[in-house]
Amino acid sequence: AQSVTQLGSHVSVSEGALVLLRCNYSSSVPPYLFWYVQYPNQGLQLLLKYTSAATLVKGINGFEAEFKKSETSFHLTKPSAHMSDAAEYFCAVTLNNDMRFGAGTRLTVKP
Amino acid sequence: ETGVTQSPTHLIKTRGQQVTLRCSSQSGHNTVSWYQQALGQGPQFIFQYYREEENGRGNFPPRFSGLQFPNYSSELNVNALELDDSALYLCASSWTLGDEQYFGPGTRLTVT
Repeated sequence: AQSVTQLGSHVSVSEGALVLLRCNYSSSVPPYLFWYVQYPNQGLQLLLKYTSAATLVKGINGFEAEFKKSETSFHLTKPSAHMSDAAEYFCAVTLNNDMRFGAGTRLTVKP
Repeated sequence: ETGVTQSPTHLIKTRGQQVTLRCSSQSGHNTVSWYQQALGQGPQFIFQYYREEENGRGNFPPRFSGLQFPNYSSELNVNALELDDSALYLCASSWTLGDEQYFGPGTRLTVT
């Protein structure tokens, strides 16, 4: 069965610094991959998705992710962190309509 | 704006009771999925409905059941509540199977 592993339950960066949130997937066939963001007391909002088209995917709020099949990775990046980026981020994989989420990474942005 | 709403926002129940959570999908979305998100964890897939039929189920016991209605609303029913059922319950809808999902704000259930 497919699964995702998010490396690092907490990541802290300074405002303006690079954001890198790591996600590795396990799937027997090429999956669809997603990154979602969750703000406190809210549902999940889609940041971006990979559906076997371009390997570099651009999302909302300046985030992007690169699908690397050789590394089974789909890391999320943003060149310059903003205070409003502080939230919980979830990587997810879907195959045959079954979506599996990682445990999440809490991003803290320091002034 | 996702257009997915859930009710109630918060709910407190006693162990052994039954609960019904409701979701209103975005108009036109034929697929709805339900997830359980325990504190500090990622969402866990409960089940999915497509055109009013269950289309997939995660590792949850039969006391978790659901319904999807023609008017794009759906329900999650949980019988014989246990303390471990305390969580945020999220519904998500999509145009069709495998499409990106739009999440509601969730219902926070506390079982005492």
